[in-house]
Amino acid sequence: QVQLQESGPGLVKPSETLSLTCTVSGGSISGYYWSWIRQPPGKGLEWIGYIYYSGSTNYNPSLESRVTISVDTSKNQFSLKLNSVTAADTAVYFCARDMSSLYWGQGTLVTVSS
Amino acid sequence: QSALTQPPSASGSLGQSVTISCTGTRSDIGGYNYVSWYQQHPGKAPKLMIYEVSKRPSGVPDRFSGSKSGNTASLTVSGLQSEDEADYYCSSYIGSVLFGGGTKLTVL
Repeated sequence: QVQLQESGPGLVKPSETLSLTCTVSGGSISGYYWSWIRQPPGKGLEWIGYIYYSGSTNYNPSLESRVTISVDTSKNQFSLKLNSVTAADTAVYFCARDMSSLYWGQGTLVTVSS
Repeated sequence: QSALTQPPSASGSLGQSVTISCTGTRSDIGGYNYVSWYQQHPGKAPKLMIYEVSKRPSGVPDRFSGSKSGNTASLTVSGLQSEDEADYYCSSYIGSVLFGGGTKLTVL
Protein backbone atom coordinates (compact mmCIF):
# COMPACT_ATOMS: atom_id res chain seq x y z
CA GLN A 1 0.00 0.00 0.00
CA VAL A 2 1.46 3.33 -1.08
CA GLN A 3 1.84 5.82 1.77
CA LEU A 4 2.89 9.47 1.69
CA GLN A 5 4.17 11.52 4.62
CA GLU A 6 4.81 15.24 4.67
CA SER A 7 7.55 16.67 6.86
CA GLY A 8 8.96 20.10 7.55
CA PRO A 9 8.70 23.11 9.85
CA GLY A 10 5.26 23.98 11.14
CA LEU A 11 6.12 27.64 11.59
CA VAL A 12 7.74 29.92 9.02
CA LYS A 13 8.44 33.63 9.34
CA PRO A 14 7.04 36.12 6.82
CA SER A 15 9.32 36.72 3.81
CA GLU A 16 11.18 33.44 4.41
CA THR A 17 11.00 30.18 2.48
CA LEU A 18 8.60 27.36 3.27
CA SER A 19 10.22 23.97 2.69
CA LEU A 20 8.42 20.63 2.86
CA THR A 21 9.34 17.10 1.89
CA CYS A 22 7.06 14.21 1.02
CA THR A 23 8.40 10.71 1.60
CA VAL A 24 6.83 7.91 -0.41
CA SER A 25 6.77 4.40 1.01
CA GLY A 26 5.25 1.13 -0.18
CA GLY A 27 5.96 1.91 -3.82
CA SER A 28 8.40 3.58 -6.16
CA ILE A 29 8.36 7.25 -7.01
CA SER A 30 9.32 6.33 -10.56
CA GLY A 31 6.69 6.33 -13.26
CA TYR A 32 4.27 8.74 -11.59
CA TYR A 33 3.33 12.38 -11.18
CA TRP A 34 3.58 13.83 -7.68
CA SER A 35 1.52 16.79 -6.51
CA TRP A 36 1.39 19.43 -3.81
CA ILE A 37 -1.99 20.81 -2.78
CA ARG A 38 -2.80 23.19 0.06
CA GLN A 39 -5.87 24.15 2.06
CA PRO A 40 -6.04 27.36 4.08
CA PRO A 41 -7.92 26.93 7.38
CA GLY A 42 -11.64 26.71 6.72
CA LYS A 43 -11.21 27.10 2.96
CA GLY A 44 -11.04 24.95 -0.15
CA LEU A 45 -8.28 23.06 -1.91
CA GLU A 46 -5.69 24.84 -4.03
CA TRP A 47 -3.39 23.04 -6.41
CA ILE A 48 0.24 24.19 -6.08
CA GLY A 49 1.95 22.09 -8.73
CA TYR A 50 3.23 18.69 -9.72
CA ILE A 51 6.43 17.03 -10.81
CA TYR A 52 6.98 13.96 -12.95
CA TYR A 53 9.51 11.49 -11.55
CA SER A 54 11.87 12.49 -14.38
CA GLY A 55 11.84 16.10 -13.13
CA SER A 56 9.45 17.96 -15.42
CA THR A 57 7.13 20.32 -13.55
CA ASN A 58 3.89 22.25 -13.90
CA TYR A 59 2.90 24.97 -11.45
CA ASN A 60 -0.21 26.94 -10.58
CA PRO A 61 0.22 30.21 -12.48
CA SER A 62 -0.78 32.18 -9.39
CA LEU A 63 2.14 30.71 -7.44
CA GLU A 64 4.62 29.95 -10.21
CA SER A 65 6.97 32.85 -9.46
CA ARG A 66 7.51 31.61 -5.89
CA VAL A 67 7.34 27.81 -6.18
CA THR A 68 9.91 25.12 -6.84
CA ILE A 69 9.10 21.41 -6.73
CA SER A 70 11.94 18.90 -6.97
CA VAL A 71 12.29 15.13 -6.80
CA ASP A 72 14.94 12.80 -5.36
CA THR A 73 14.32 9.33 -6.75
CA SER A 74 17.18 7.83 -4.73
CA LYS A 75 15.36 8.77 -1.52
CA ASN A 76 11.83 8.23 -2.87
CA GLN A 77 11.04 11.82 -1.93
CA PHE A 78 9.83 14.99 -3.55
CA SER A 79 9.95 18.48 -2.11
CA LEU A 80 8.25 21.86 -2.15
CA LYS A 81 9.83 25.25 -1.71
CA LEU A 82 7.67 28.37 -1.55
CA ASN A 83 9.57 31.59 -1.08
CA SER A 84 8.62 35.05 0.16
CA VAL A 85 5.76 33.67 2.24
CA THR A 86 3.06 35.79 3.85
CA ALA A 87 0.20 35.02 6.22
CA ALA A 88 -1.88 34.10 3.17
CA ASP A 89 0.33 31.03 2.73
CA THR A 90 -0.79 29.61 6.07
CA ALA A 91 -2.45 26.31 5.19
CA VAL A 92 -2.47 22.56 5.53
CA TYR A 93 -0.11 21.29 2.84
CA PHE A 94 -0.82 17.90 1.29
CA CYS A 95 1.32 15.80 -0.99
CA ALA A 96 -0.37 13.34 -3.33
CA ARG A 97 0.28 10.98 -6.20
CA ASP A 98 -0.96 11.84 -9.70
CA MET A 99 -3.35 14.63 -10.69
CA SER A 100 -6.36 12.48 -9.90
CA SER A 101 -5.04 11.50 -6.53
CA LEU A 102 -5.86 8.18 -4.97
CA TYR A 103 -2.96 8.46 -2.53
CA TRP A 104 -2.57 11.44 -0.22
CA GLY A 105 -0.44 12.33 2.75
CA GLN A 106 -2.20 13.20 5.99
CA GLY A 107 -1.31 16.88 5.54
CA THR A 108 0.82 19.19 7.60
CA LEU A 109 -0.16 22.60 8.93
CA VAL A 110 2.27 25.37 8.12
CA THR A 111 1.70 28.68 9.85
CA VAL A 112 3.35 31.85 8.61
CA SER A 113 3.89 34.17 11.53
CA SER A 114 6.64 36.17 13.17
CA GLN B 1 -7.31 30.08 -14.81
CA SER B 2 -10.48 30.29 -12.71
CA ALA B 3 -11.64 27.80 -10.15
CA LEU B 4 -14.53 25.52 -11.01
CA THR B 5 -17.92 26.59 -9.65
CA GLN B 6 -19.73 24.48 -7.08
CA PRO B 7 -22.73 25.31 -4.87
CA PRO B 8 -21.50 26.00 -1.34
CA SER B 9 -24.02 23.65 0.22
CA ALA B 10 -26.33 20.76 -0.53
CA SER B 11 -28.54 18.59 1.61
CA GLY B 12 -30.67 15.50 1.50
CA SER B 13 -32.47 13.16 3.84
CA LEU B 14 -31.26 9.73 4.83
CA GLY B 15 -31.88 7.29 2.00
CA GLN B 16 -32.57 9.97 -0.59
CA SER B 17 -30.37 11.13 -3.46
CA VAL B 18 -28.52 14.39 -3.94
CA THR B 19 -26.62 15.79 -6.90
CA ILE B 20 -23.75 18.28 -6.68
CA SER B 21 -22.80 20.27 -9.76
CA CYS B 22 -19.42 21.55 -10.91
CA THR B 23 -19.32 24.09 -13.69
CA GLY B 24 -16.28 24.95 -15.76
CA THR B 25 -15.66 25.97 -19.33
CA ARG B 26 -15.08 24.24 -22.63
CA SER B 27 -11.35 24.64 -21.93
CA ASP B 28 -11.49 22.35 -18.92
CA ILE B 29 -14.56 20.26 -18.04
CA GLY B 30 -16.19 20.70 -21.42
CA GLY B 31 -13.13 19.74 -23.40
CA TYR B 32 -11.78 16.73 -21.57
CA ASN B 33 -12.94 13.71 -19.62
CA TYR B 34 -10.56 14.35 -16.75
CA VAL B 35 -12.91 15.24 -13.91
CA SER B 36 -12.47 13.90 -10.41
CA TRP B 37 -14.51 14.18 -7.23
CA TYR B 38 -13.11 14.10 -3.70
CA GLN B 39 -14.80 13.63 -0.33
CA GLN B 40 -13.23 15.30 2.69
CA HIS B 41 -14.21 14.82 6.30
CA PRO B 42 -13.05 17.40 8.85
CA GLY B 43 -9.37 17.13 9.66
CA LYS B 44 -8.79 14.43 7.07
CA ALA B 45 -7.14 14.25 3.69
CA PRO B 46 -9.42 14.25 0.65
CA LYS B 47 -10.53 10.84 -0.62
CA LEU B 48 -10.90 10.14 -4.32
CA MET B 49 -14.48 9.09 -5.07
CA ILE B 50 -14.72 9.50 -8.86
CA TYR B 51 -12.11 9.91 -11.61
CA GLU B 52 -12.34 10.41 -15.38
CA VAL B 53 -15.90 11.74 -14.98
CA SER B 54 -17.60 8.50 -13.95
CA LYS B 55 -15.10 5.86 -12.85
CA ARG B 56 -15.02 4.68 -9.24
CA PRO B 57 -11.83 3.58 -7.50
CA SER B 58 -11.93 0.19 -5.85
CA GLY B 59 -13.77 0.33 -2.55
CA VAL B 60 -15.95 3.35 -3.32
CA PRO B 61 -19.63 2.38 -2.98
CA ASP B 62 -21.69 2.35 -6.16
CA ARG B 63 -24.00 4.83 -4.45
CA PHE B 64 -21.56 7.42 -5.76
CA SER B 65 -21.76 8.18 -9.46
CA GLY B 66 -20.42 10.86 -11.77
CA SER B 67 -21.51 12.32 -15.06
CA LYS B 68 -20.90 15.24 -17.37
CA SER B 69 -22.95 17.35 -19.73
CA GLY B 70 -21.30 20.13 -21.64
CA ASN B 71 -19.24 22.26 -19.27
CA THR B 72 -20.86 20.87 -16.11
CA ALA B 73 -19.93 17.75 -14.22
CA SER B 74 -22.12 16.23 -11.54
CA LEU B 75 -21.71 13.93 -8.56
CA THR B 76 -24.78 12.00 -7.44
CA VAL B 77 -24.95 10.30 -4.07
CA SER B 78 -27.82 7.84 -3.84
CA GLY B 79 -29.20 6.23 -0.71
CA LEU B 80 -27.68 8.91 1.50
CA GLN B 81 -26.05 7.69 4.68
CA SER B 82 -24.91 9.70 7.67
CA GLU B 83 -21.25 9.08 6.85
CA ASP B 84 -21.73 10.82 3.50
CA GLU B 85 -21.91 14.14 5.34
CA ALA B 86 -18.69 15.83 4.27
CA ASP B 87 -17.20 18.41 1.94
CA TYR B 88 -17.01 17.46 -1.73
CA TYR B 89 -14.61 18.94 -4.25
CA CYS B 90 -14.53 18.56 -8.00
CA SER B 91 -11.31 18.77 -9.93
CA SER B 92 -10.36 19.06 -13.56
CA TYR B 93 -6.88 18.20 -14.77
CA ILE B 94 -5.88 19.36 -18.20
CA GLY B 95 -2.15 19.95 -17.90
CA SER B 96 -2.86 22.09 -14.88
CA VAL B 97 -5.23 21.18 -12.10
CA LEU B 98 -8.31 23.15 -11.13
CA PHE B 99 -10.42 22.61 -8.03
CA GLY B 100 -13.95 23.67 -7.31
CA GLY B 101 -14.66 25.74 -4.22
CA GLY B 102 -16.24 22.78 -2.45
CA THR B 103 -19.76 21.80 -1.45
CA LYS B 104 -20.75 21.00 2.11
CA LEU B 105 -23.18 18.08 2.03
CA THR B 106 -25.53 17.81 4.98
CA VAL B 107 -27.50 14.63 5.60
CA LEU B 108 -30.77 15.48 7.31
